[in-house]
Amino acid sequence: GAVVSQHPSWVICKSGTSVKIECRSLDFQATTMFWYRQFPKQSLMLMATSNEGSKATYEQGVEKDKFLINHASLTLSTLTVTSAHPEDSSFYICSARLWTGERDGYTFGSGTRLTVV
Amino acid sequence: DAKTTQPPSMDCAEGRAANLPCNHSTISGNEYVYWYRQIHSQGPQYIIHGLKNNETNEMASLIITEDRKSSTLILPHATLRDTAVYYCIVRLYSGGSNYKLTFGKGTLLTVNP
Repeated sequence: GAVVSQHPSWVICKSGTSVKIECRSLDFQATTMFWYRQFPKQSLMLMATSNEGSKATYEQGVEKDKFLINHASLTLSTLTVTSAHPEDSSFYICSARLWTGERDGYTFGSGTRLTVV
Repeated sequence: DAKTTQPPSMDCAEGRAANLPCNHSTISGNEYVYWYRQIHSQGPQYIIHGLKNNETNEMASLIITEDRKSSTLILPHATLRDTAVYYCIVRLYSGGSNYKLTFGKGTLLTVNP
């Protein structure tokens, strides 16, 4: 159980366009979802935390107008990279929290590799 | 915020136990320690987590010192497929009922034949 699906697994887009990445919890309702970014040979950097039905909380230094997060349901969160530039090329990973009172786990998606050309 | 310190790399022989240390000297009394691993170009995989007591599951054991300032992840019989970057994370409170996992640099464990 506790599977998180991320789509697409990779995407190439032209500079200046927008790209949407989806994160779905397949077999559970996620109270909270998280978005991370990972550059080559570096660790994961938390970008933002989102709760269903409310605005996302962005980490310091992350541009909320550039990285739009929508968490419209308990099983779906989307990250839209707006006006993408080559420096936005990275590995984007989502995570979903399953909290039942007895269990508190964080499951990660398989990631999306974004290349902006 | 509680930070973690891990050695950047470790080697282990196949079939032997791998012991991965982590220091979290500024951890607070109610902050959990989580361990994940990441194989190249994949999402992190959950291994184990704990608060005070030692924990064991089908993947690994987690030993937390009595003062909670450090912990050790033990893979009892390492295989080549255990080669990965292992992250020790202190789960941080972020307001309301929210918590977050902030990753450090991790330890690259290389299991050798």
